[in-house]
Amino acid sequence: GQSLEQPSEVTAVEGAIVQINCTYQTSGFYGLSWYQQHDGGAPTFLSYNGLDGLEETGRFSSFLSRSDSYGYLLLQELQMKDSASYFCAVMKPTGSGNTGKLIFGQGTTLQVKP
Amino acid sequence: DAGVIQSPRHEVTEMGQEVTLRCKPISGHDYLFWYRQTMMRGLELLIYFNNNVPIDDSGMPEDRFSAKMPNASFSTLKIQPSEPRDSAVYFCATSERRSDTQYFGPGTRLTVL
Repeated sequence: GQSLEQPSEVTAVEGAIVQINCTYQTSGFYGLSWYQQHDGGAPTFLSYNGLDGLEETGRFSSFLSRSDSYGYLLLQELQMKDSASYFCAVMKPTGSGNTGKLIFGQGTTLQVKP
Repeated sequence: DAGVIQSPRHEVTEMGQEVTLRCKPISGHDYLFWYRQTMMRGLELLIYFNNNVPIDDSGMPEDRFSAKMPNASFSTLKIQPSEPRDSAVYFCATSERRSDTQYFGPGTRLTVL
């Protein structure tokens, strides 16, 4: 089968750095994505790693290592508004070779405290 | 652009009734996805379309669920008959080609009594 594992909850203080890990048991995927979801809201795209290594977008960075079946999302200079759920997802090929679907992890709830 | 539009935002119905959820994708996006989110099962892909054609419906739970995309501007997800276990938030998402980014609509919160 295919599964992605994330910690269920993480707590950190404002201004700190937090890393949310994602380990997976799947192969043959296009890349690893991260989505943010505030309570009662819709998931929104944060970052994507198609290749191994680090991708940086402002305060957020994401990392992928296919050889270790592992990725992470790094949030720096935490703000109260970063309190949300964070989902990792792999894009799996399906149907014809040019299509894919996202398989989501269960999500990590991040609580940022003052 | 207005983003992905879903209606209704909230739906409360009784067991056995038919429920129809609607989605208008972002103009120009070739892919449309229907997801269901619950506390127990997380975010699950139900079905997705490419250029209005269903590509993968392996996530559709059972025959009570059906989805259509009659044109590039509109899709529906129908549940008939509805059951209490169908209570969830249903999201529609769209993307451009096989893009790495999916844009989610605000969701429809369905409650089946």
